[in-house]
Amino acid sequence: GQQVMQIPQYQHVQEGEDFTTYCNSSTTLSNIQWYKQRPGGHPVFLIQLVKSGEVKKQKRLTFQFGEAKKNSSLHITATQTTDVGTYFCAGQRSNSGYALNFGKGTSLLVTP
Amino acid sequence: KAGVTQTPRYLIKTRGQQVTLSCSPISGHRSVSWYQQTPGQGLQFLFEYFSETQRNKGNFPGRFSGRQFSNSRSEMNVSTLELGDSALYLCASSLTLLAGGLNEQFFGPGTRLTVL
Repeated sequence: GQQVMQIPQYQHVQEGEDFTTYCNSSTTLSNIQWYKQRPGGHPVFLIQLVKSGEVKKQKRLTFQFGEAKKNSSLHITATQTTDVGTYFCAGQRSNSGYALNFGKGTSLLVTP
Repeated sequence: KAGVTQTPRYLIKTRGQQVTLSCSPISGHRSVSWYQQTPGQGLQFLFEYFSETQRNKGNFPGRFSGRQFSNSRSEMNVSTLELGDSALYLCASSLTLLAGGLNEQFFGPGTRLTVL
């Protein structure tokens, strides 16, 4: 079953509003990755976080990895219609080898 | 560089049949992972191969199997199909740079399997 929980499941915002999705794991992760999937498309890699407390920014997107390496968040500032899609986090555990455990994703809808 | 390719893109089968899906990774990528994506369960890890060896397997029944060839191309097979196997099957390849883990996954377009 899913080992990485992600909330919310859906989010509907007006263009220009901010958006945040959260991931939580019951076990410590060695690293976490974030992906975006547009409707009808396939997941596309956004970023990988490895270090405890790490914060990375990509233009309007800010990614955080918790101090305990059990949670992560993706924050989008001033959403645009091009941000529409489903955002997934995917965690790797140190003892699970080469396996990515995906959260169920947060579907973001942005209305102009 | 060409991306990850998967064939066929769409497939319709009936219960009890078996199916083989194919994946060609990005040139130079030796790690290939397979995922099942459904609306209810999201993206679930099936297995990962590197240099023709399965390094990890997800929590799926033995009806799901895979293999990797010397050119890194991979196939997955599902035998005795059930209605619940209807899903989008995604293949992803990656370089193996991160020690003990998977790097950025490059996904293919997927194979949409419908079981009737």
